[in-house]
Amino acid sequence: GAGVSQTPSNKVTEKGKYVELRCDPISGHTALYWYRQSLGQGPEFLIYFQGTGAADDSGLPNDRFFAVRPEGSVSTLKIQRTERGDSAVYLCASSPQQWTGGTFFGPGTRLTVL
Amino acid sequence: AQKVTQAQTEISVVEKEDVTLDCVYETRDTTYYLFWYKQPPSGELVFLIRRNSFDEQNEISGRYSWNFQKSTSSFNFTITASQVVDSAVYFCALVGGSQGNLIFGKGTKLSVKP
Repeated sequence: GAGVSQTPSNKVTEKGKYVELRCDPISGHTALYWYRQSLGQGPEFLIYFQGTGAADDSGLPNDRFFAVRPEGSVSTLKIQRTERGDSAVYLCASSPQQWTGGTFFGPGTRLTVL
Repeated sequence: AQKVTQAQTEISVVEKEDVTLDCVYETRDTTYYLFWYKQPPSGELVFLIRRNSFDEQNEISGRYSWNFQKSTSSFNFTITASQVVDSAVYFCALVGGSQGNLIFGKGTKLSVKP
């Protein structure tokens, strides 16, 4: 596709469960970012990949959050033992190189933890 | 520390009015980039503009214009002859040369009434 895609668009889960959120970046974009947006707030950085490696994971809130990008394209954000406070929209963005082409966001995954 | 401040939480205008959205940033980096995004009710973040810290030329794109002033650390966004379709939350964001992720402001909700 032409843009960044994310699946699922909505995810409802129960407290304590494990979830995986997927991001397909724009083809050829080497930089991939995960952000989290709570209601009424701007997006907050979680993790940044350059190629296959996590260049900066300083935004991950705790060790329940983990992300991978094994082949340098698709990325999966994994959340273990979900908590109600994890409820938010999780946004993925990609860029052709670091900051040279702007950053293009996907539609997001709305995660609701009951 | 990097910070973006959007002091206007909500603005309401009548169609065809001009409106300016304010953005003030803080960074110690000498090289940095500034962005504006639009987030309509559908939720997807739409990239509007990216400027680097060495280019203070103002930019105009149709009804949109941006005023970048390093002396006041501001990057304001003006919509001329606003339209109902301009109703959205607008985010200003910053990335410094020393890091890879966007720092967002809290956003300004613009309502344009017919």
